[in-house]
Amino acid sequence: GDSVTQMEGPVTLSEEAFLTINCTYTATGYPSLFWYVQYPGEGLQLLLKATKADDKGSNKGFEATYRKETTSFHLEKGSVQVSDSAVYFCALRGANNLFFGTGTRLTVIP
Amino acid sequence: KAGVTQTPRYLIKTRGQQVTLSCSPISGHRSVSWYQQTPGQGLQFLFEYFSETQRNKGNFPGRFSGRQFSNSRSEMNVSTLELGDSALYLCASRKGGDAGSYEQYFGPGTRLTVT
Repeated sequence: GDSVTQMEGPVTLSEEAFLTINCTYTATGYPSLFWYVQYPGEGLQLLLKATKADDKGSNKGFEATYRKETTSFHLEKGSVQVSDSAVYFCALRGANNLFFGTGTRLTVIP
Repeated sequence: KAGVTQTPRYLIKTRGQQVTLSCSPISGHRSVSWYQQTPGQGLQFLFEYFSETQRNKGNFPGRFSGRQFSNSRSEMNVSTLELGDSALYLCASRKGGDAGSYEQYFGPGTRLTVT
């Protein structure tokens, strides 16, 4: 069945460091892929998406490329800020719902 | 445009009671989905409603039920509460239909604590 495997956390980085959070998926075909972010005490916010292979989603300095060869959708940011501290979820579109990874907690220290 | 709203934001109940949570989707969105988030199990899909009909259901016992009204607002109900039902319940809305990327927008959640 469909599933998402996400890099275990937590991840702690210094401000302005480079961020990579790995995400791989198992699915039939080429489903839409998403990254969501959850700030403390809040619901999930859509960060970026990619709807087909080789698409690159980007938003707020974050990027992720849909790689069908490696079934991956890794999240990257060139220079993180303290305000990026949150939990990040990778997700794929199933038949009638989203399948989420376990989430990766990112803490950015000044 | 107003986002997805959920009420109440926090709830404390005792075992054996029942609870009803409410979700108002983004205006124009006809699909509402519910998810349960716990530290141990992560985000798990409960069910989706579209045009007042349940279209899909996750792997949860029958104690979990829901409905959708003609204005697309949705409620979920949990009967005979158990300690393990303590969780953040998230509602998500989207425009609906099967076309497109299936972009869902989430509410802030209802934090349910069962004692």
